[in-house]
Amino acid sequence: GQQLNQSPQSMFIQEGEDVSMNCTSSSIFNTWLWYKQDPGEGPVLLIALYKAGELTSNGRLTAQFGITRKDSFLNISASIPSDVGIYFCAGHNTDKLIFGTGTRLQVFP
Amino acid sequence: ETGVTQSPTHLIKTRGQQVTLRCSSQSGHNTVSWYQQALGQGPQFIFQYYREEENGRGNFPPRFSGLQFPNYSSELNVNALELDDSALYLCASSLEGSFLDTQYFGPGTRLTVL
Repeated sequence: GQQLNQSPQSMFIQEGEDVSMNCTSSSIFNTWLWYKQDPGEGPVLLIALYKAGELTSNGRLTAQFGITRKDSFLNISASIPSDVGIYFCAGHNTDKLIFGTGTRLQVFP
Repeated sequence: ETGVTQSPTHLIKTRGQQVTLRCSSQSGHNTVSWYQQALGQGPQFIFQYYREEENGRGNFPPRFSGLQFPNYSSELNVNALELDDSALYLCASSLEGSFLDTQYFGPGTRLTVL
């Protein structure tokens, strides 16, 4: 099935560092969503973006809806140990939600 | 904790068998979506039910079918299981029949097909 391309695939960073990850698609989306998944749990919505060019923050998280509507970016500032997990982007069009391949984040103290 | 529960937690089946997975939505939510998440991959959308009717479907064959009940709980049925059906199956509930409303995911059912 179709999946969006996320990069990097994994990241190993030190506590306090900033993190950037992105998501690209060959298709245009009307909505971009970012989720975090912890082991043994389902994804949890972090940020939703509804308009091309939109920049939205949720605490230390900031996400942007790309102007071309084919990409999105997520930044995490001043990372902490509980940021560890897998981050997924998802694009919404009509009646489908398509997830990315995920970025695995490890934070070392 | 999202209030969305799934059963069973784990399940082992053999190729060719049939399986039924269950999902109990968050209170007040009338929409449920089902996803398949293979190991190391993102979730893949199977289908969505809104007020007991199918409201959208991903690229899954007809042997994947679903039901939503009047209390908005839901079932995912898979017939003629194949080895590639081994995955984590997630359900997500939301308030109205779209993906624009926040979806609350359950912890998933881990299905292994031998």
